[in-house]
Amino acid sequence: AQSVTQLGSHVSVSEGALVLLRCNYSSSVPPYLFWYVQYPNQGLQLLLKYTSAATLVKGINDFEAEFKKSETSFHLTKPSAHMSDAAEYFCAVISNFGNEKLTFGTGTRLTIIP
Amino acid sequence: DTEVTQTPKHLVMGMTNKKSLKCEQHMGHRAMYWYKQKAKKPPELMFVYSYEKLSINESVPSRFSPECPNSSLLNLHLHALQPEDSALYLCASSSRLGGGTETQYFGPGTRLLVL
Repeated sequence: AQSVTQLGSHVSVSEGALVLLRCNYSSSVPPYLFWYVQYPNQGLQLLLKYTSAATLVKGINDFEAEFKKSETSFHLTKPSAHMSDAAEYFCAVISNFGNEKLTFGTGTRLTIIP
Repeated sequence: DTEVTQTPKHLVMGMTNKKSLKCEQHMGHRAMYWYKQKAKKPPELMFVYSYEKLSINESVPSRFSPECPNSSLLNLHLHALQPEDSALYLCASSSRLGGGTETQYFGPGTRLLVL
């Protein structure tokens, strides 16, 4: 069964510094992977998704992620953190292709230090 | 427009009450989803509808009853809930099922408190 693991439930970075949020997947078939962001008291917003077209995926708000099969990873990065990036970030995988079932990781709370 | 709307935003109900959550999208999507999210936890899938037919029920208790009256609307009827059902209920939609590449668009959620 497909699943994802997010390393680090809390990550703090200084404003302007690199953001790196880690996600590793477990899948017996090529996975479809997603990063979502959830701001306080809001729903989830898609940042980017990997669907095997390209290993480096660019998303909204200057976020990007690289699919590395050798490392079974799909880490999320942003070159320069902004205060507005403070939120909860979820990595997710489609775990049932016929029914588009999304299985989420446990989430990483990103805090930006002024 | 990629908006999914949910009403109400907040709901407080007693254990003997009957209430309904409503979700609406006008993107022409034919797949709609209900998720439950407890505090500081990831969302968990409850139900999936495809072309107004129930496709997945993730062994959800019968006190939760979904309904998809048309392609734009998804309801979640609540009856005899327990305090542990207090959570954020998220609705999502995607253009269709199958393939694994369809983006799910989420609404802002209904925050439910059961007393």
